[in-house]
Amino acid sequence: EAQVTQNPRYLITVTGKKLTVTCSQNMNHEYMSWYRQDPGLGLRQIYYSMNVEVTDKGDVPEGYKVSRKEKRNFPLILESPSPNQTSLYFCASSLFGNQPQHFGDGTRLSIL
Amino acid sequence: AQSVAQPEDQVNVAEGNPLTVKCTYSVSGNPYLFWYVQYPNRGLQFLLKYITGDNLVKGSYGFEAEFNKSQTSFHLKKPSALVSDSALYFCAVRVPRGSQGNLIFGKGTKLSVKP
Repeated sequence: EAQVTQNPRYLITVTGKKLTVTCSQNMNHEYMSWYRQDPGLGLRQIYYSMNVEVTDKGDVPEGYKVSRKEKRNFPLILESPSPNQTSLYFCASSLFGNQPQHFGDGTRLSIL
Repeated sequence: AQSVAQPEDQVNVAEGNPLTVKCTYSVSGNPYLFWYVQYPNRGLQFLLKYITGDNLVKGSYGFEAEFNKSQTSFHLKKPSALVSDSALYFCAVRVPRGSQGNLIFGKGTKLSVKP
C-alpha cells in the first residue's frame, strides 16, 4: 500500500531535549515536505526537498533541521525544542513538486 | 506577499443542497491550484487540482472547482452535499519558483453538512 509513515504519532517532551520525527515514503517520490498545522493558521511549510541531498526552506524553518540522505526518508529534527513548537506536524511526498501530495497521518508534539 | 485566502471559517449546508467553499489567491505568475480535505485525526487527502486548460476541474467524491483568473478564485463546489462530506477543507497554491516552488495553504474551512 502506498503510504507516508510518520513516527511517533504523539510525543510529549520538555524544552531543550533534542528530538527527531521520522518520515518515510514507499512510492519512490522525488519531493518531500514538512508542514506544521496550528489552529487559525492552516498549514505552513517548514522545509521541503526536491531530491536526495537537496533541501530548501519553507515559510517557517526557524528552529528546525532536515536531511535527505535517502530518497525514501526525510526526518525532521528539533535540536532544542521550545514550547512555541508545540503543534501538529505533517510529512508529505509527491512524485515531483508540482504534483498532488500524499500526507502522513500526522505527529502531535507537545513541548513543555 | 503571496497568499491564499479562505474567507469562511465554517460553512453549514443541509444534506442534498449544493455547497461552495471559497478560495482566492494572490500570487505572481501562473499558479498551480489544489484542494485537499482533512478528516479528524488524519492527514490531508488530495481532491483536485488546476494547472492549465479547462477552467472547470472535476475531482474525487463528486467535487469540482472553477478557476477564475480575473477574480483570482478557485472555489470548491458540489451539487449535492452528503453528511460524510463534513470535514476541514484546504485550498493550496504552488508558487512557481525555480524548478519546483513551495506550497502555500489557506487557513482551512470547516464544512458541516446536517441531515
